[in-house]
Amino acid sequence: AIQLTQSPSSLSASVGDRVTITCRASQGISSALAWYQQIPGKAPKLLIYDASILESGVPSRFSGSGSGTDFTLSISSLQPEDFATYYCQQFNSSPFTFGPGTKVDIK
Amino acid sequence: EVQLVESGGGLVQPGRSLRLSCAASGFTFDDYAMHWVRQAPGKGLEWVSGISFNGGRTAYVDSVKGRFTISRDNAKNSLYLQMDSLSAEDTALYYCAKVGPRGGIEDCFDFWGPGTLVTVSS
Repeated sequence: AIQLTQSPSSLSASVGDRVTITCRASQGISSALAWYQQIPGKAPKLLIYDASILESGVPSRFSGSGSGTDFTLSISSLQPEDFATYYCQQFNSSPFTFGPGTKVDIK
Repeated sequence: EVQLVESGGGLVQPGRSLRLSCAASGFTFDDYAMHWVRQAPGKGLEWVSGISFNGGRTAYVDSVKGRFTISRDNAKNSLYLQMDSLSAEDTALYYCAKVGPRGGIEDCFDFWGPGTLVTVSS
């Protein structure tokens, strides 16, 4: 099974900060990677798919990059509603694993 | 508007069974693969199972193989998860999720239901 690691596991940031989260796959997955945001008590929400394509309706301050084994989610200017946990997921092959998550909280 | 609503969760004793359902609306259900994802209390997301648009292909995480069975009824726009031989490790919020526009089982999950809670305890 393909394993995903995320770093950092948590971070504290201020409104307006630029935030970068990385996701590494244990083997190449081409661009078959998605990023989700989960606010406590809510279902996950798709932000980015195919590593870099912004889902419809998602603010342009979110962006994704990478291919193969190394991927990045960036938030250009953190907003109050962005404090949440972020997960990467590979959909290259079953089992369709998720990363352990990165919790972004307020500094 | 896409809507996914899970049901069937509850408190169940170890070793017993439970069947989850997911009612879908707002899209052409039989055009898309569907998945189940779970989240144990305070933990991360774990993919559980997926099924192709016509039910011809299924996939499972190793920890549920032989115990869980995913199925769908396209005439009823419904997805199911039959869970047998439940253990405490299966305690989680179970989400159903629709795949993205490609429709295949290997795709991102663009819509999620609110989840149904399964608690396995004596």
